[in-house]
Amino acid sequence: DTGVSQDPRHKITKRGQNVTFRCDPISEHNRLYWYRQTLGQGPEFLTYFQNEAQLEKSRLLSDRFSAERPKGSFSTLEIQRTEQGDSAMYLCASSLTRRQETQYFGPGTRLLVL
Amino acid sequence: DAKTTQPPSMDCAEGRAANLPCNHSTISGNEYVYWYRQIHSQGPQYIIHGLKNNETNEMASLIITEDRKSSTLILPHATLRDTAVYYCIVRATSGTYKYIFGTGTRLKVLA
Repeated sequence: DTGVSQDPRHKITKRGQNVTFRCDPISEHNRLYWYRQTLGQGPEFLTYFQNEAQLEKSRLLSDRFSAERPKGSFSTLEIQRTEQGDSAMYLCASSLTRRQETQYFGPGTRLLVL
Repeated sequence: DAKTTQPPSMDCAEGRAANLPCNHSTISGNEYVYWYRQIHSQGPQYIIHGLKNNETNEMASLIITEDRKSSTLILPHATLRDTAVYYCIVRATSGTYKYIFGTGTRLKVLA
């Protein structure tokens, strides 16, 4: 399968713990996006990478959140000191730079903070 | 940034055409409209996109009004597997070109 993959698919953690999610984009895609989706809502943008450079972060991304994309390949999203409000689906998408770029989404990581 | 407005829910009989409307009256002149769908607990799946002209692919057709203020996604022969939330999306006009999602239309295809 050559689509976007995410790991893990599900994560249950206790409040205060740190969690890390991984996204592997489609291999030739240079852009990578993270979104967050809560129940009943559409996905909301969190952050964006072009190659290894993180070019934008949403105000939703508090200082407990950090994302990296070393070498412009896979990306990780870490949440420190998780809170119950962090419970959501975390989606990763990748695309190739062009005017009518289409983002392709992974299956998501569903996080539940107890 | 432009936003989209969609009806929250629609029903469609199996085998009939499903017509899903979207309003994007503030879209800029050179921005595309994208349609995705999301089946429960999965990531959004790309369906189709367009700029000015009508578009068709193996999944759906997209009709965009001449003034580009609205569009309609058409699933010509809906099946039970088309039951999903459908999102009409425009991108941010600067910076990252991130997608701006609304709350989508929950389409239920009825047997």
